[in-house]
Amino acid sequence: AQSVTQPDIHITVSEGASLELRCNYSYGATPYLFWYVQSPGQGLQLLLKYFSGDTLVQGIKGFEAEFKRSQSSFNLRKPSVHWSDAAEYFCAVVPPGGSYIPTFGRGTSLIVHP
Amino acid sequence: EAGVAQSPRYKIIEKRQSVAFWCNPISGHATLYWYQQILGQGPKLLIQFQNNGVVDDSQLPKDRFSAERLKGVDSTLKIQPAKLEDSAVYLCASSLSVPEQYFGPGTRLTVT
Repeated sequence: AQSVTQPDIHITVSEGASLELRCNYSYGATPYLFWYVQSPGQGLQLLLKYFSGDTLVQGIKGFEAEFKRSQSSFNLRKPSVHWSDAAEYFCAVVPPGGSYIPTFGRGTSLIVHP
Repeated sequence: EAGVAQSPRYKIIEKRQSVAFWCNPISGHATLYWYQQILGQGPKLLIQFQNNGVVDDSQLPKDRFSAERLKGVDSTLKIQPAKLEDSAVYLCASSLSVPEQYFGPGTRLTVT
């Protein structure tokens, strides 16, 4: 069975600073990879996804993520954080083929200081 | 395009009572998911439907939880009887092109 690790429970950055949120997965093959964002009291919104091809993917709101097969990682980045980016971020993996059963990480809470 | 709709948004019940949640997926989405999200944790998949058939319900506590998706569109998730540890946000999601999911706003359940 696949697993997802988000090692940072909380990340604090200053507005305008760069951001990197870590995600590592455990699975025999390359799964489908996702990052979602959840604002308080809301559902999850898809930021970006990786299925295959270019390992650097662009998403909404200025976010990007890089897939590194050798490290089983899919880290989320943003060059300049805005106060509105404060939220919970979840990494998710879905095995290719079969029933596409998803697994989510426990999330990283982003705190943005003015 | 309308998103995934869920109701109610909030529910407070006493332990041992029953409760039901409703989800209306995005039109045309064949796959529907129910998740439980406990405070401070990621969503945990409870059940996944493909049309009106169950794909996976391995993490659904079947002694108290049940779910159905009649006619392959709307779905209901029921808890009977509720326990304190069922307090969580229950998220519904749907997908057209697996495995990309679209989430509803969730139902926050408090069991007292």
